[in-house]
Amino acid sequence: GAVVSQHPSWVICKSGTSVKIECRSLDFQATTMFWYRQFPKQSLMLMATSNEGSKATYEQGVEKDKFLINHASLTLSTLTVTSAHPEDSSFYICSARDPASGSTGEQFFGPGTRLTVL
Amino acid sequence: AQKVTQAQTEISVVEKEDVTLDCVYETRDTTYYLFWYKQPPSGELVFLIRRNSFDEQNEISGRYSWNFQKSTSSFNFTITASQVVDSAVYFCALRTQIYTGGFKTIFGAGTRLFVKA
Repeated sequence: GAVVSQHPSWVICKSGTSVKIECRSLDFQATTMFWYRQFPKQSLMLMATSNEGSKATYEQGVEKDKFLINHASLTLSTLTVTSAHPEDSSFYICSARDPASGSTGEQFFGPGTRLTVL
Repeated sequence: AQKVTQAQTEISVVEKEDVTLDCVYETRDTTYYLFWYKQPPSGELVFLIRRNSFDEQNEISGRYSWNFQKSTSSFNFTITASQVVDSAVYFCALRTQIYTGGFKTIFGAGTRLFVKA
């Protein structure tokens, strides 16, 4: 299957700083990528859909100015958590859709990034 | 309001048993998508299926099958002849379009499946 990587795999930062997480599709071009957040008790949330060359589409309730998403190329999307606070600590997961998958909606997931804000 | 209920918090089966994971959803929309995902102990999510609300055909993929029943608002997932590698947390999700033109995806709380050898 297609491979998606994330960097870093974990990050610890101080409150008030910004953190950037990268998501790369390694062996395919992804016109669409997704960003998820997983909370400590395993519940999942889709944060936004990232489309190459255009603005991300955020899910209802997600702060656009807080979670900046950029999809500058067909293989890279970034999520920047701005002015991070302890409540932003979470497991952030990206996924990418391979156009070759057709209409199945199949997504390939990265391994996730564990963010801890002190 | 949209809601997804996975009533089974944990299920434990012995290898080769069949197991069904339940997913019941609530929405007033006529157009929506339903999903299943798997999260094994390694933590990396795996996409299993996406089904739109107009396609009520059941789906089979190897040992996996899905039963979409609009009449009962359910999208249940069955694993036939379970294997230890099926041990994971399984999430069901509902995606709908909201009145502002955006989207909202609701995940169930997940069902943890243990398959014992």
